[in-house]
Amino acid sequence: EPEVTQTPSHQVTQMGQEVILRCVPISNHLYFYWYRQILGQKVEFLVSFYNNEISEKSEIFDDQFSVERPDGSNFTLKIRSTKLEDSAMYFCASSFGQGAGYEQYFGPGTRLTVT
Amino acid sequence: AQSVTQLDSHVSVSEGTPVLLRCNYSSSYSPSLFWYVQHPNKGLQLLLKYTSAATLVKGINGFEAEFKKSETSFHLTKPSAHMSDAAEYFCVVSDTDTGTASKLTFGTGTRLQVTL
Repeated sequence: EPEVTQTPSHQVTQMGQEVILRCVPISNHLYFYWYRQILGQKVEFLVSFYNNEISEKSEIFDDQFSVERPDGSNFTLKIRSTKLEDSAMYFCASSFGQGAGYEQYFGPGTRLTVT
Repeated sequence: AQSVTQLDSHVSVSEGTPVLLRCNYSSSYSPSLFWYVQHPNKGLQLLLKYTSAATLVKGINGFEAEFKKSETSFHLTKPSAHMSDAAEYFCVVSDTDTGTASKLTFGTGTRLQVTL
């Protein structure tokens, strides 16, 4: 069964450094998402992406964050200058369509630790 | 604004006994509701979804959930727990309004422990 993959599984970085989290969505999916879960807190929506542009973003997704689909397979989340509070599990998801009738398929997550 | 409240952070059951994981929702529009499961070091997997069709929804691995609008609830049940059911379960809501239909709002999760 096709699945969403994410690399790396764990990333450790120093405060102020840039990080890029990578995701390979399911190949025929058209909508892509990032969510994050700070330890002990809820999974939170960050951003959705369709047709090479952001379709929706949350208040968390400020100028420090950006997303890109650099080629036909990868979907990346970049954090320009990491802060301690960016430490979290980041989940990528993809779906074929938009709306409740279309399941979002999640990857296993990347644990980001900012020291 | 939409939200879900999972009433129990941790539930422990014996193998072979029923499972009940509780969820209440709040939504400005007609909600779509989901239950996702996360096993250790795995991604979030969809168990079942409600999208305004039948109020009793059957999912994978013997789980089911009933949408009760009058109680704003969407509790997850299973008649007989199995050791492999031990995992974290998330109740999730999505408003069917087009503008926010892509955004999922998660509950805080319920950790299900299954003992022998």
